[in-house]
Amino acid sequence: AQRVTQPEKLLSVFKGAPVELKCNYSYSGSPELFWYVQYSRQRLQLLLRHISRESIKGFTADLNKGETSFHLKKPFAQEEDSAMYYCALLRPTGTYKYIFGTGTRLKVLA
Amino acid sequence: GAGVSQSPSNKVTEKGKDVELRCDPISGHTALYWYRQSLGQGLEFLIYFQGNSAPDKSGLPSDRFSAERTGGSVSTLTIQRTQQEDSAVYLCASSSDRGDEQFFGPGTRLTVL
Repeated sequence: AQRVTQPEKLLSVFKGAPVELKCNYSYSGSPELFWYVQYSRQRLQLLLRHISRESIKGFTADLNKGETSFHLKKPFAQEEDSAMYYCALLRPTGTYKYIFGTGTRLKVLA
Repeated sequence: GAGVSQSPSNKVTEKGKDVELRCDPISGHTALYWYRQSLGQGLEFLIYFQGNSAPDKSGLPSDRFSAERTGGSVSTLTIQRTQQEDSAVYLCASSSDRGDEQFFGPGTRLTVL
């Protein structure tokens, strides 16, 4: 079955500390992976996608097909990074359906 | 252009009543999704429309939930005989035919008393 797993519901780190939000997926083909973010009182929005291989707001994510992971990382967390983060898989065949993980709430402490 | 819009923004209803939630996707987007976001529960997939294909209803939690998408544009999510556990934020999102980035609406906060 196709699945996206985010094992941590809540992750708390201190400002300036490194942060890693874990995401593992289950899919037999070659999916497209995304990270979406929802800041307080804002809409859910795209943060980054693996095919663009870019860094957004200091965040990066590398697709590891061997470990079927797409962990989100930032070397130095900032208080404004506090938000809900969702990992998502796009099934690139048929009807292009998205599958979201259950999300991780990141709290960056001063 | 305008983004995804949803109405109403807030809905308070009594247990047992029916409610309708509306979503206006971005013009030209053929894919439309409904999700439910409960406190502390993350994002729960409900239903997915893609063009003229039959919708994927695999996420609907019970037969009290149904959704329509008229003319390939506006969608309505209907919850019949609402229960307190239906209280949540209902999110709608749309994306292009290629299923690229999803654009989310602001959500409808449903409270069932």
